[in-house]
Parts: sequence; C-alpha cells; structure tokens
Amino acid sequence: DIQMTQSPSSVSASVGDRVTITCRASQLISSWLAWYQQKPGKAPKLLIYAASSLQSGVPSRFSGSGSGTDFTLTISSLQPEDFATYFCQQTHSFPSTFGQGTKVEVK
Amino acid sequence: EVQLVESGGGLIQPGGSLRLSCAASGFTVSSHYINWVRQAPGKRLEWVSVIYSGDNTYYSDSVKGRFAISRDSSKNTVYLQMNSLRAEDTAVFYCARSWFNIWYAFDIWGQGTMVTVSS
Repeated sequence: DIQMTQSPSSVSASVGDRVTITCRASQLISSWLAWYQQKPGKAPKLLIYAASSLQSGVPSRFSGSGSGTDFTLTISSLQPEDFATYFCQQTHSFPSTFGQGTKVEVK
Repeated sequence: EVQLVESGGGLIQPGGSLRLSCAASGFTVSSHYINWVRQAPGKRLEWVSVIYSGDNTYYSDSVKGRFAISRDSSKNTVYLQMNSLRAEDTAVFYCARSWFNIWYAFDIWGQGTMVTVSS
C-alpha cells in the first residue's frame, strides 16, 4: 500500500496568515492527489483534486501543488472558517490511502 | 440536490453483523464509483471498499472476507454488509462518490453513521 505522510501534524496560525501543509507519498503517484478539509463531527469536504485543481465552490485562497511524491496545500490568507483538520489522499491505486491529518489551530 | 445519506449503524456485539445503507439522490450510483470510508475515533480516514461499473468491487485487506459491498440500482442505494465484526471495526462509516472527471477524488460524502462494536 502507498503510505501518505503529512507534516506538520498541527499548526498554530492567526487569521490572515499564510499556511502551508505538505504531504509525501511513499511511491510515485504522478498527480493523483486530493486534499480535504474536515471539521469536528462533519464529513470531509473535497478542496483540491489532481494535485492542483480547485474543486467547484472552494475559495481561491486554497491552492495545491506538487507531483510525483511531494505535494503542498497552501491557504494564502487564513479565514476564521478555515480552522479545521486537513487530509491528503492518493487516488493513484487501490487501496486509496489518506494522510494522518494536519490540524490548523488558533494561535 | 446531489447527496448521499447513510443509515444502519449502531451498537453490535463482537462477532455480530450489520448492514449499512447509502442512499443517493441527484445522481445515479451505477454511473459512479461508490466508496465506503471509515474513521475510528481520533484516527485517520481509512478506505474500506468500492463498487463501480458493473459489479466490480475492491476491499481493504482489513475487511476482505468479512465485508461485502453491493448495489441496488432500482433503489439507487449501495450497501455494506459487515460480518464477524471486531472491536477494531468501531468507527464512523461514510459513503462517498468518486469518478474519473475529478481523478477519482471523493466529491460527495454522506453525513456518516456510527458503528460501535462492543460487548
């Protein structure tokens, strides 16, 4: 199985900050990478697919980059509603696997 | 509205069985991949199973031989039959849609249904 490793596990930030989360795959996955946001007690919400494509309806302050094994999710200017946990997921091969999550907390 | 609604979770004893349902509206389940994903308390998301075009199915190693995914196109519903349940199966179970147009990312999720395996 492909292992997905995110860093950091948590980040403390303030409204307006630029936040960057990284995700590393244990094997080459080209651009088969998605990012999700999850709030407590809620289902995950798709933000980015194909490593850098913004899902419809997602604010443009979210962006993704990378290819191969190393990927990045960037929130350009953190908003109050962005405090949440973020997961990456590889969709390159079965079984699809997720990162352990990065919690974005209030500083 | 495009949505998925899960049902069927609950408290079950180890070794027991449970069937989860995932009812779709606003789209046809037979035209998409429908996945089951679970999340144990405080843990990462874990993909469990998928059903797609025809009756193609895949399972994670942790549930293979115990869980079975199926689809009823007339009801636009996907099921997850869970047998020989273990304490480590305790989790919130989500169904989620994926398809080629978004590189098989999961764009629609249900609200989740809690499965607790305990005596």
